[in-house]
Amino acid sequence: QSVLTQPPSASGTPGQRVTISCSGSSSNIGRNPVNWYQQLPGTAPKLLIQSNNQRPSGVPDRFSASKSGTSASLAITGLQSEDEADYYCASWHDSMSGSWVFGGGTKLTVL
Amino acid sequence: QVQLVQSGAEVKKPGASVKVSCKASGYTFSTKDIIWVRQATGQGLEWMGWMNPNTGNAAYAEKFQGRVIMTRNTSISTAYMELISLRAEDTAVYYCTRGSYIGDFSPWGQGTLVTVSS
Repeated sequence: QSVLTQPPSASGTPGQRVTISCSGSSSNIGRNPVNWYQQLPGTAPKLLIQSNNQRPSGVPDRFSASKSGTSASLAITGLQSEDEADYYCASWHDSMSGSWVFGGGTKLTVL
Repeated sequence: QVQLVQSGAEVKKPGASVKVSCKASGYTFSTKDIIWVRQATGQGLEWMGWMNPNTGNAAYAEKFQGRVIMTRNTSISTAYMELISLRAEDTAVYYCTRGSYIGDFSPWGQGTLVTVSS
């Protein structure tokens, strides 16, 4: 059971816009930034979005993200076949020792 | 370019230990934390802990306290993650990545598969 909750799956057709949600609590997303990672099949994760909505160099502007309260969302516009991957949200969780927590991941299928 | 290259796959028996290495290149090793994350087959990402290569100080996820040790050798820009008292449920791909307190974990190593089986 992940601390951050994501839908297990999402899908869309080429050119569509899809969104992936990430729900947390006041101990994580509610007070800390959210990062998003993309994991293509059989590869290591890649940083997609940092600090809620900042795209690292090289990430297409088709990818965007936002945060509101204890939830965050990732949006992909102009969906392409190469976007088929697992997507994970992550945030710092404030507790006695603190830890980074990830969502369970959302498998995006491009139909 | 910045690169993290990890050691090869390991097969261990329950109760044994494993030590995975992560060699950094393309940047000054001491300037970014090294983070370890694992992923069981078909499962999500799990943060294990992080280490400051400059000071050697490390912080571990509560789940791994007492079983994980993160170290480094600055002379060869290499970080290590040792997990002891292995059990079957530790079978996973172990990744190293670099980053800072804001969670900008990038890039990631290629991953090291650790299989625990009798």
